Amino acid sequence: QQQVKQSPQSLIVQKGGISIINCAYENTAFDYFPWYQQFPGKGPALLIAIRPDVSEKKEGRFTISFNKSAKQFSLHIMDSQPGDSATYFCAASIDTGNQFYFGTGTSLTVIP
Amino acid sequence: DTGVSQDPRHKITKRGQNVTFRCDPISEHNRLYWYRQTLGQGPEFLTYFQNEAQLEKSRLLSDRFSAERPKGSFSTLEIQRTEQGDSAMYLCASSFSTGQYGYTFGSGTRLTVV
Repeated sequence: QQQVKQSPQSLIVQKGGISIINCAYENTAFDYFPWYQQFPGKGPALLIAIRPDVSEKKEGRFTISFNKSAKQFSLHIMDSQPGDSATYFCAASIDTGNQFYFGTGTSLTVIP
Repeated sequence: DTGVSQDPRHKITKRGQNVTFRCDPISEHNRLYWYRQTLGQGPEFLTYFQNEAQLEKSRLLSDRFSAERPKGSFSTLEIQRTEQGDSAMYLCASSFSTGQYGYTFGSGTRLTVV
């Protein structure tokens, strides 16, 4: 049973465009929602994370939007660049130091 | 400290053989995690340690899998009697016990069982 559902599976965006990746969860005990970026041959790297007490968090070109009532959260990448081409994973955990439940990933390609 | 280090990067083994992977976490981190990632999927939790104590194990960690973290420093993950279904990327991560700042993952060990 997939604890965190992620869509789309793949995404192609023009340079300068906005990339949007969505995730949904069922377990209301989750209280920490990070996004990870993974390049081929590398481990995932933490990009940005949010707690459910805020509806939005922005760091540079990356924004997480969080809808607690809908149990959904999304990653927005503004002004997408070819260097952003990677696989993105959403995740959720109960508290920050415990196991993460990852989504299935979104392969993002930014076309120059 | 250059991050989480995993060794080897790649391992090809014949079915039925035993393999062992090593992970060296960031020295200040007292938690260490093992995840498994198959092609096209997100990482799946296997187990984690706080210092030398193994605090949680996933049902994915069958009897053929064993992990240790002697002295609370590096960790090893051993797979006995490997099966083709064990082929995956094995990722190690470390963090502070509070999880503050999230995990730092290593680059993984890719296991291929032939």
